[in-house]
Amino acid sequence: EPEVTQTPSHQVTQMGQEVILRCVPISNHLYFYWYRQILGQKVEFLVSFYNNEISEKSEIFDDQFSVERPDGSNFTLKIRSTKLEDSAMYFCASSPTSVSTDTQYFGPGTRLTVL
Amino acid sequence: DAKTTQPPSMDCAEGRAANLPCNHSTISGNEYVYWYRQIHSQGPQYIIHGLKNNETNEMASLIITEDRKSSTLILPHATLRDTAVYYCIAASSNTGKLIFGQGTTLQVKP
Repeated sequence: EPEVTQTPSHQVTQMGQEVILRCVPISNHLYFYWYRQILGQKVEFLVSFYNNEISEKSEIFDDQFSVERPDGSNFTLKIRSTKLEDSAMYFCASSPTSVSTDTQYFGPGTRLTVL
Repeated sequence: DAKTTQPPSMDCAEGRAANLPCNHSTISGNEYVYWYRQIHSQGPQYIIHGLKNNETNEMASLIITEDRKSSTLILPHATLRDTAVYYCIAASSNTGKLIFGQGTTLQVKP
């Protein structure tokens, strides 16, 4: 069964450093998402991406964040200058079509630790 | 998106049906009811979704009341591996984002 994959599984970085989290969505999917979950808290929507542009973003997704689909398979989340409060699990998800008619499939997550 | 309300925790005996309730009294006509679950810190896993009609798949059944103000997720024969946090989400057909609440922590006991 096809699945969403994410790398790395765990990333440790120093405050102020740039990080790139990578995701390979399911191959025929068209919609891509990033969510995050701070330890012990709920899963939070960050951004949705379709047709090579951002469809929607949350208040969390400020100028420090960016997303990109650099080739036909990868979908990346970049944090330009990490802060301590960016420490969280970051989940990538993809869906074939819009949410009303199809489900989002989530990857296993990348645990980001900012020191 | 409509806010949903779920009990924070529930217990269920292994092999019995687990019935997880969800209130979504402010749901609008174009919002679907989705159920996801999260085991430990893994990525959320889709279970089932519906608009008005009851739905069933290999994992679960979804019962939506006629007025659509509440729903129940039914796991017909709960196993220890069904221990997880279960999220009920009301998602608009106009947006791709899923708004997760705190969910219900289901503990399946031997």
